[in-house]
Amino acid sequence: GAVVSQHPSWVICKSGTSVKIECRSLDFQATTMFWYRQFPKQSLMLMATSNEGSKATYEQGVEKDKFLINHASLTLSTLTVTSAHPEDSSFYICSARPGGRDTGELFFGEGSRLTVL
Amino acid sequence: GQNIDQPTEMTATEGAIVQINCTYQTSGFNGLFWYQQHAGEAPTFLSYNVLDGLEEKGRFSSFLSRSKGYSYLLLKELQMKDSASYLCAGMDSNYQLIWGAGTKLIIKP
Repeated sequence: GAVVSQHPSWVICKSGTSVKIECRSLDFQATTMFWYRQFPKQSLMLMATSNEGSKATYEQGVEKDKFLINHASLTLSTLTVTSAHPEDSSFYICSARPGGRDTGELFFGEGSRLTVL
Repeated sequence: GQNIDQPTEMTATEGAIVQINCTYQTSGFNGLFWYQQHAGEAPTFLSYNVLDGLEEKGRFSSFLSRSKGYSYLLLKELQMKDSASYLCAGMDSNYQLIWGAGTKLIIKP
């Protein structure tokens, strides 16, 4: 199956700093990637849809100035958590579908666990 | 509104069979997904149903009834490694996935 790689897997940072998480589709092109956040024992929460070459579409309640998304190429999307605070500590996961298809299997990255001290 | 309902937690015995139910309400429908998620890991794809009926894939099967807005995931010959959360997700008319909260499956020896 298709592979989505996410980096870093774990990150610990001080409050007020910014953290960048990368999501790469290794063996396919992804015009659209999705960013999720998951708190312990809760389901995935879609934060935003990342579109190659254009602005991301953010879900209601997600601050676009705090969670900066850049989808500069067909294989890379980045999520930057700016001025991180302890309440931003969470499991962040990206996903993508091959070939720009709307339906079919969604492949997930390994996830990035962010801890803000 | 859009909603996915599935039980919070289920317990089953190693070697047995378990059925995890999911009911969905979506604006339009483009299919129903099941994903497995082990603690601390990202979800992995199990199945996708868009037509009514049963899809079998090894020890796992998934069923869909569009008229009832209902799906289930059937796990046979349960193994300890099947202990995980199972996420049901419906795809709406905009191809957005609506996620359930997940069913935590506990397998006992």
